[in-house]
Amino acid sequence: EAQVTQNPRYLITVTGKKLTVTCSQNMNHEYMSWYRQDPGLGLRQIYYSMNVEVTDKGDVPEGYKVSRKEKRNFPLILESPSPNQTSLYFCASSLERADQPQHFGDGTRLSIL
Amino acid sequence: ILNVEQSPQSLHVQEGDSTNFTCSFPSSNFYALHWYRWETAKSPEALFVMTLNGDEKKKGRISATLNTKEGYSYLYIKGSQPEDSATYLCAPGGNTGKLIFGQGTTLQVKP
Repeated sequence: EAQVTQNPRYLITVTGKKLTVTCSQNMNHEYMSWYRQDPGLGLRQIYYSMNVEVTDKGDVPEGYKVSRKEKRNFPLILESPSPNQTSLYFCASSLERADQPQHFGDGTRLSIL
Repeated sequence: ILNVEQSPQSLHVQEGDSTNFTCSFPSSNFYALHWYRWETAKSPEALFVMTLNGDEKKKGRISATLNTKEGYSYLYIKGSQPEDSATYLCAPGGNTGKLIFGQGTTLQVKP
């Protein structure tokens, strides 16, 4: 089954404790992206990647890191999480570029205390 | 592409009504316009991606049009059903891969 898989789905952690949210897709997609969703602010793009080893900042990259060492994986790293990063996070992928529909993962709800 | 506006913010209609909503965006540096449907407790699901001025796309009772010169897209739902209740998001993007999502129009269809 074609899918984008995020882990974990839920996480409660404390300020400053490094965490990684994994994202994996099995569709051989070139393009992958991370978003966060906050009430009243909609979906905001954090980072995206057009291909392996190519990543670019979205609208809200501060406090996040990503890597794209393999086509299928695009982990989101919070080196020193803070409470303002409490949010619902989505990973998405598409065939290539920005003119293809994106397939979204099920989301990861992060709570930083 | 900086400012994406969707209107109305929310909409309540009766089952069987047809409805439409708007996505407005700056027309400079336009490359593609995405529409997504987002049901509560689920993840966004792609409806359409449109690239050309005058494009029209249709999927069942849902259709969309695009005007890149004036910077807007309309989404139409014909004969709304309760299962159409969701938030509808638009996202214009440039050719760099960056997407800017609007805040969405939340549709509630009453049986």
